[in-house]
Amino acid sequence: AQSVAQPEDQVNVAEGNPLTVKCTYSVSGNPYLFWYVQYPNRGLQFLLKYITGDNLVKGSYGFEAEFNKSQTSFHLKKPSALVSDSALYFCAVQRSNDYKLSFGAGTTVTVRA
Amino acid sequence: DAGITQSPRHKVTETGTPVTLRCHQTENHRYMYWYRQDPGHGLRLIHYSYGVKDTDKGEVSDGYSVSRSKTEDFLLTLESATSSQTSVYFCAIRGIGGANTGELFFGEGSRLTVL
Repeated sequence: AQSVAQPEDQVNVAEGNPLTVKCTYSVSGNPYLFWYVQYPNRGLQFLLKYITGDNLVKGSYGFEAEFNKSQTSFHLKKPSALVSDSALYFCAVQRSNDYKLSFGAGTTVTVRA
Repeated sequence: DAGITQSPRHKVTETGTPVTLRCHQTENHRYMYWYRQDPGHGLRLIHYSYGVKDTDKGEVSDGYSVSRSKTEDFLLTLESATSSQTSVYFCAIRGIGGANTGELFFGEGSRLTVL
């Protein structure tokens, strides 16, 4: 079995401040990890993924995430948040020998001007 | 644009009626998925397909069936809709030639309301 926990339903930050969205996972074997963003009434858009290699992954729109195997975490970060980053963010995990992706419940990010 | 079209985009139906949602892709991808999105649950996998006539169950497959008679179309059927199946349904395809390292690309969603 595999699962993802996003411990915060909501994250609120001021524009220009750092943004962190937390994610922890549970999976047997090596994990593949993904972050997606969803804007209102839209489908999910891919932000970044960790497959192997460097634990720090850089993705779209200035986002990055760090894979921490010992803490089974894959937190999403952005050094300076924008109002346009306000959206619903999903973390997802997959076993390296599988094709099924499991998603967390999502974290709503609000960036205030 | 990943070339995914879902239809219908919105549907209201009554309990006990059959409903079919269609996912059409133009990219010739092998892997296709159906998820449902509900508040507090994120996205949950219903069924997925790894080729024509090859499908497998996800974590919430009860009450749903799927069919894939050609590469470009993946159909999700609710044989007898229930109110618990009111949800937003998303189709997805896997990129990068179908390798399991590829990310999923999602359609715009189909909002289903069962009265």
